[in-house]
Amino acid sequence: GQSLEQPSEVTAVEGAIVQINCTYQTSGFYGLSWYQQHDGGAPTFLSYNGLDGLEETGRFSSFLSRSDSYGYLLLQELQMKDSASYFCAVRGSGYALNFGKGTSLLVTP
Amino acid sequence: DSGVTQTPKHLITATGQRVTLRCSPRSGDLSVYWYQQSLDQGLQFLIQYYNGEERAKGNILERFSAQQFPDLHSELNLSSLELGDSALYFCASSGQTGNTEAFFGQGTRLTVV
Repeated sequence: GQSLEQPSEVTAVEGAIVQINCTYQTSGFYGLSWYQQHDGGAPTFLSYNGLDGLEETGRFSSFLSRSDSYGYLLLQELQMKDSASYFCAVRGSGYALNFGKGTSLLVTP
Repeated sequence: DSGVTQTPKHLITATGQRVTLRCSPRSGDLSVYWYQQSLDQGLQFLIQYYNGEERAKGNILERFSAQQFPDLHSELNLSSLELGDSALYFCASSGQTGNTEAFFGQGTRLTVV
């Protein structure tokens, strides 16, 4: 089976940097993805790591260490609109895309 | 707009009833996923289809079933509904079974009363 662990809540100040961690257990591994979801809205894709290392997309970066079954999402220059839920997701054997329970990020002024 | 269309947006029904949720994937996408999201819960993977065939199954109840049609749209059937089935149901699509990015529809909010 698969399991993903991420913090349930994180609070940070506007303009700051925040890191959301994700650890996973999976049989078969085909990459770690990150999605953003605003209240009641559709999840939207942020980034993907198939190999170890850092991927950067604008203010967002994502890191993967396959040996540690660990990844993180780094959000820089936080803006109020970044307040949302962030989900890590793993594609394991069988092609299912399984999500963690999500981290609720609150950005304060 | 992700290009994934889900209907209806809202659905209110009584316990014991049966409903069908519909999903049209992005043009050209062969893979469709269904997820259930209850209040303050994560996205629970239900089932995946690829080009008409079931490819992966998650924690889908026996009362629930799905299929993908030749035109690639998909339907999720929920029967003998219970209060606990009230949730947001999302459909997502991607181009290949191993594709890294999934595109989500706006969801169907199901309320069972």
